[in-house]
Amino acid sequence: AQSVTQPDIHITVSEGASLELRCNYSYGATPYLFWYVQSPGQGLQLLLKYFSGDTLVQGIKGFEAEFKRSQSSFNLRKPSVHWSDAAEYFCAVGALRCVLTGGGNKLTFGTGTQLKVEL
Amino acid sequence: EADIYQTPRYLVIGTGKKITLECSQTMGHDKMYWYQQDPGMELHLIHYSYGVNSTEKGDLSSESTVSRIRTEHFPLTLESARPSHTSQYLCASRGQYNSPLHFGNGTRLTVT
Repeated sequence: AQSVTQPDIHITVSEGASLELRCNYSYGATPYLFWYVQSPGQGLQLLLKYFSGDTLVQGIKGFEAEFKRSQSSFNLRKPSVHWSDAAEYFCAVGALRCVLTGGGNKLTFGTGTQLKVEL
Repeated sequence: EADIYQTPRYLVIGTGKKITLECSQTMGHDKMYWYQQDPGMELHLIHYSYGVNSTEKGDLSSESTVSRIRTEHFPLTLESARPSHTSQYLCASRGQYNSPLHFGNGTRLTVT
């Protein structure tokens, strides 16, 4: 069974500092990996996703993530954090199976990392 | 395995029909969500609820409505289905802070 671990429950950084949010996954085949962000009262917004190819993935809002198969990791990074980045971040692994035949997709989410930004 | 159930699993209906997608969870979670999932696997929030008699619209504009009369039940209704409603609909719930999101298996809706 697939699983996702986000070891950091809370992270606090100063505005302008760099950020790295950790994500480790367990999956038997090639994983499809995602990072989502959720602000209070908002739904999950996709930051970036990795399906194949270049292991360094660029996303929206200046975020990037690097897929490291040897470490089973997909850590999210941002060189300079803005106060508006304060939110909860979720890593997820997907099993894209049978989409065309209607078999459905399933995402397994981590428990989330709450990011606070100090001004 | 999470105890959150969605029915039906697949639904093919004609334009103009009224449909209700069912979602139930047995974990006592206060927070429940309905997402529409596009082929790229991005999730778009269409409705959410933080408890009984509490419902809010999400980021994605939708012609659907929801109700939350009981903690465990969060049905989504389309009064008049159209082909543009064809999509995968995912229901989710979450317990207290820092608990994981639990998703149902989804309903794949096709409107002809």
